[in-house]
Amino acid sequence: AQSVTQPDIHITVSEGASLELRCNYSYGATPYLFWYVQSPGQGLQLLLKYFSGDTLVQGIKGFEAEFKRSQSSFNLRKPSVHWSDAAEYFCAVGAQAAGNKLTFGGGTRVLVKP
Amino acid sequence: DVKVTQSSRYLVKRTGEKVFLECVQDMDHENMFWYRQDPGLGLRLIYFSYDVKMKEKGDIPEGYSVSREKKERFSLILESASTNQTSMYLCASSLFTGIKYFGPGTRLTVT
Repeated sequence: AQSVTQPDIHITVSEGASLELRCNYSYGATPYLFWYVQSPGQGLQLLLKYFSGDTLVQGIKGFEAEFKRSQSSFNLRKPSVHWSDAAEYFCAVGAQAAGNKLTFGGGTRVLVKP
Repeated sequence: DVKVTQSSRYLVKRTGEKVFLECVQDMDHENMFWYRQDPGLGLRLIYFSYDVKMKEKGDIPEGYSVSREKKERFSLILESASTNQTSMYLCASSLFTGIKYFGPGTRLTVT
């Protein structure tokens, strides 16, 4: 069965500093990988996705993620954090065969210090 | 602007009540999903539907049922609500792999 682990429950970062959120997945074949963001009081928004090809994926809001098959990881990064990036971030993995079913990690809550 | 809407943002029900959560999407998507979101557990799939009248169990279907009589509408039913079903419920829809559109959520409290 597929699974996703986000090791960091909370991360605090200063505004303007870089951010990296960790995501490790378990899946027997090539996965589809996703990052979502949930701002306070808002629904989930898709930041980026990886299906195949270039392992460095660019997303919205200045985020990027790198797929590393050897480490079963799909870490999310942003070079310079803005106060509006304070939110909860979810990594998810989908099975290619099953298409649309996604398994989510437990989430990482990001706090941004001024 | 495309949307997934959910019938209620907040709902308070008593133990044993039958509860209906409604979800409507206006994007003509075949696939619709119900997740529950709990702190530290992320989102867990309850049920999904890939066509009208078609449904499949997700990871935690116990205590829930679903109905999809029309393509745009997907209902989640709690036959007899219990306190451990207090949670945030998120509906979503998609056309291809990767769910792009989530509803705003329904925060259900069962007392």
